[in-house]
Amino acid sequence: DAGVTQSPTHLIKTRGQQVTLRCSPKSGHDTVSWYQQALGQGPQFIFQYYEEEERQRGNFPDRFSGHQFPNYSSELNVNALLLGDSALYLCASSSRDTQYFGAGTRLSVL
Amino acid sequence: GEDVEQSLFLSVREGDSSVINCTYTDSSSTYLYWYKQEPGAGLQLLTYIFSNMDMKQDQRLTVLLNKKDKHLSLRIADTQTGDSAIYFCAERGTDKLIFGTGTRLQVFP
Repeated sequence: DAGVTQSPTHLIKTRGQQVTLRCSPKSGHDTVSWYQQALGQGPQFIFQYYEEEERQRGNFPDRFSGHQFPNYSSELNVNALLLGDSALYLCASSSRDTQYFGAGTRLSVL
Repeated sequence: GEDVEQSLFLSVREGDSSVINCTYTDSSSTYLYWYKQEPGAGLQLLTYIFSNMDMKQDQRLTVLLNKKDKHLSLRIADTQTGDSAIYFCAERGTDKLIFGTGTRLQVFP
């Protein structure tokens, strides 16, 4: 049984570009959450998707958007990248009370 | 407000017990979690406790919850070098997890 998978593992972009990160949830999980982890910090909640709808959103600007597909996989899109968007982006899937995380996508913005 | 606090660093000798502490602010949190993060990796769920419990034991891990003081601790018995990592405490808000800044555990021989 595959766990939560994320792609790509690493990504380098320049300021102003757009990026799409992908996540496949653990089998049997229908909810996907995205977190941003800056260096030396704990993960910060970006948003959560359930039944293809954004259910809750953290304190992130509209440049951050997402999508959930009928197979429960999800994408995180970030537009107009800033240097401060450099971070590890973590996807977590859940079905009830516990969130399981993928290995993350490390985004570097130059 | 929502806030989770942890001490930044803990150093222990191999074979000793480690105790990592955490305080949280949201008294309505239903679940509290401990995650482990090794360098360059994602978060691994270690254990969690429901808010109506005082203690949970899982092999070498013991979680203690003092709901009155909003204090959570993780005890690792017989700490090994492979336990060296960053440990995050998290409380469950409305569908989201709120994390502390993490405690870096260093185990020396």
